[in-house]
Amino acid sequence: QKEVEQDPGPLSVPEGAIVSLNCTYSNSAFQYFMWYRQYSRKGPELLMYTYSSGNKEDGRFTAQVDKSSKYISLFIRDSQPSDSATYLCAMISSSGSARQLTFGSGTQLTVLP
Amino acid sequence: DTAVSQTPKYLVTQMGNDKSIKCEQNLGHDTMYWYKQDSKKFLKIMFSYNNKELIINETVPNRFSPKSPDKAHLNLHINSLELGDSAVYFCASSQGINNEQFFGPGTRLTVL
Repeated sequence: QKEVEQDPGPLSVPEGAIVSLNCTYSNSAFQYFMWYRQYSRKGPELLMYTYSSGNKEDGRFTAQVDKSSKYISLFIRDSQPSDSATYLCAMISSSGSARQLTFGSGTQLTVLP
Repeated sequence: DTAVSQTPKYLVTQMGNDKSIKCEQNLGHDTMYWYKQDSKKFLKIMFSYNNKELIINETVPNRFSPKSPDKAHLNLHINSLELGDSAVYFCASSQGINNEQFFGPGTRLTVL
């Protein structure tokens, strides 16, 4: 079993839809949670970063963490064609001497105009 | 004013060759990384250096050797290239290990 599982998609939605992207994880030592967006043929860029359970909002994006269920989500409101990209969840463990970022496999999102 | 830059952007080479990919960051970060992204978009860490010291060395073939001449540079040398090495290689940097990682544009390696 992978440490981080992500719905692979692909996901296709009409413009203006609410998008929900999800990841589950098995390692309870993961304490820092991130969402990266990767456009085609580009490097990933950080969208959201959180380390506590609950919701964090930034514009049209809301990151949700539920540590008791080991589940994180990214919601995109009023989705735009420019949101079309691959979304990667990522986590860092709080234990161990060499902490590293573990990525989910990514969900490809297409927002249709 | 590129933050993390990689060269070359594309690399096409024959099996058995040796090649290098260079990475530079101008963000003043102390930690740099190499990731491999396969055709299914799965990003996996290969190496991490903190202040020129190797801190993460995942299970990669020893044909891959990172070199960090200073904090701003982390190069990746690959010996005896194999077909399975074809992927996009990303360099990244961060200030400390728990903070945001900034990624380079990637190097698309194709081994024929």
